[in-house]
Amino acid sequence: TQLLEQSPQFLSIQEGENLTVYCNSSSVFSSLQWYRQEPGEGPVLLVTVVTGGEVKKLKRLTFQFGDARKDSSLHITAAQPGDTGLYLCAGGKGAQKLVFGQGTRLTINP
Amino acid sequence: EPEVTQTPSHQVTQMGQEVILRCVPISNHLYFYWYRQILGQKVEFLVSFYNNEISEKSEIFDDQFSVERPDGSNFTLKIRSTKLEDSAMYFCASSWNLPGSGTEAFFGQGTRLTVV
Repeated sequence: TQLLEQSPQFLSIQEGENLTVYCNSSSVFSSLQWYRQEPGEGPVLLVTVVTGGEVKKLKRLTFQFGDARKDSSLHITAAQPGDTGLYLCAGGKGAQKLVFGQGTRLTINP
Repeated sequence: EPEVTQTPSHQVTQMGQEVILRCVPISNHLYFYWYRQILGQKVEFLVSFYNNEISEKSEIFDDQFSVERPDGSNFTLKIRSTKLEDSAMYFCASSWNLPGSGTEAFFGQGTRLTVV
């Protein structure tokens, strides 16, 4: 069974602070996708990483895929209240399906 | 921007009734999926569909579930006899290629199914 564990599950910080959330597995994934999900809505894709060690930036968000392709991190610089939401990682293994983590619920306080 | 659309947004049904959830995937996508998310839990894979047939399904996707692509645009999930534990958000997704190859999967807004 392929499992993705995200940590922390909940994170509440002040506006302007930096943060990192993690997505870890004992399995190797050929790609990893990060999504953001608002209450009552579908996951919205933020980024896909494919190559071990790959780093992608999306404005203040930096995504990294681990060298062994078993883990990933999302770093947010100078967090803003608009960053509040549920962040999901999902791994693909060349198979049809994505395996999702349980998510990190992020709250940025003004 | 192309998007996956799902109808209805909310469906309430009595236990034992059949429901059909509908999805219109992104038009040039080839792979179609259904996922579900029970309140407060992980998004779980149900089934994938390619070339007019099921290509992979999870243990959740038992004989009570079926999928169909009745025409060139719609993709449906049918639950034959709903149970209370089928209450969840159901998400349709589509992709141009296999998600594991690095191709993005795009999700719809979901249908909230409530079985009473």
